[in-house]
Amino acid sequence: DIQMTQSPSTLSASVGDRVTITCRASQTIRTWLAWYQQKPGKAPKLLINKISTLEGGVPSRFSGSGSGTEFTLTINSLQPDDFATYYCQQYSSMWTFGQGTKVEIK
Amino acid sequence: EVQLVQSGAEVKKPGESLKMSCKASGYMFPNYWIGWVRQMPGKGLEWMGIIYPGDSDTRYSPSFQGHVTISADRSISTAYLHWSSLQASDTAMFYCVRSRVPNFPDAFDLWGQGTLVTVSS
Repeated sequence: DIQMTQSPSTLSASVGDRVTITCRASQTIRTWLAWYQQKPGKAPKLLINKISTLEGGVPSRFSGSGSGTEFTLTINSLQPDDFATYYCQQYSSMWTFGQGTKVEIK
Repeated sequence: EVQLVQSGAEVKKPGESLKMSCKASGYMFPNYWIGWVRQMPGKGLEWMGIIYPGDSDTRYSPSFQGHVTISADRSISTAYLHWSSLQASDTAMFYCVRSRVPNFPDAFDLWGQGTLVTVSS
C-alpha cells in the first residue's frame, strides 16, 4: 500500500498569509496526486488533480507542485473562505488520502 | 444536473446488516468508477473501495476487504455499500464518490452528500 503523510496536521494563519501544506508519498506516484478541501459538515471538494491542474471554479490563489514523492499545496493570500481542512490523495495505485491539515485562524 | 444522491441516515445495532445506496444522475453511470469513502467522527478520509459499473470490476482497500461489499445496478444507476454484520466501530459518515475521468480510475470530482451511520446497542 502507498502511504501518504501530510504536514503539518494543523496550521494557524491569518487572512492574507501564504500557506504551504506538504504531502509525502511512501513511493513514487508519478503525477497521480490530488488535493481536496473540506469544510465542517460538508463533503470534500476536489481542488487540484494531477499535481497542479486546478478544477473549474477554483481560485488561482491555490496552486500545487511537486514530483515523485514530495508535493505541496500553496494558498497565496489566504481568504476567510479558505479556513478548512485539506487532504492530499494519491491515485497511482488504488487510492490513499493523507491524514489532513486543518488551516485555522491565527 | 450531475449529482450523487445518497440514502438517509441510519441507526443500527451491532450485528445488524445495512445496505446504503448512492443514486447517480446526469452522466453515463456505466462509464465512471464509483466508490466509497469513510470518515469517522472527527477523523480523516479513508478510501474503502470502488466499482466500475460497466463490468462490475471491484477493488477494495485492504482495510475494508471482507468487511463490506460494494455493488452496482446499472439499470437504475445506483451503487451500494453493504455490511452483513455491523460493529460499533462502523459508526461514521460515508460518502459515495465518482472518478473524474470516464473509463479511468482518477481523482474524485463528484461527492454525494454523505450518509451518517450510527451503530449502538
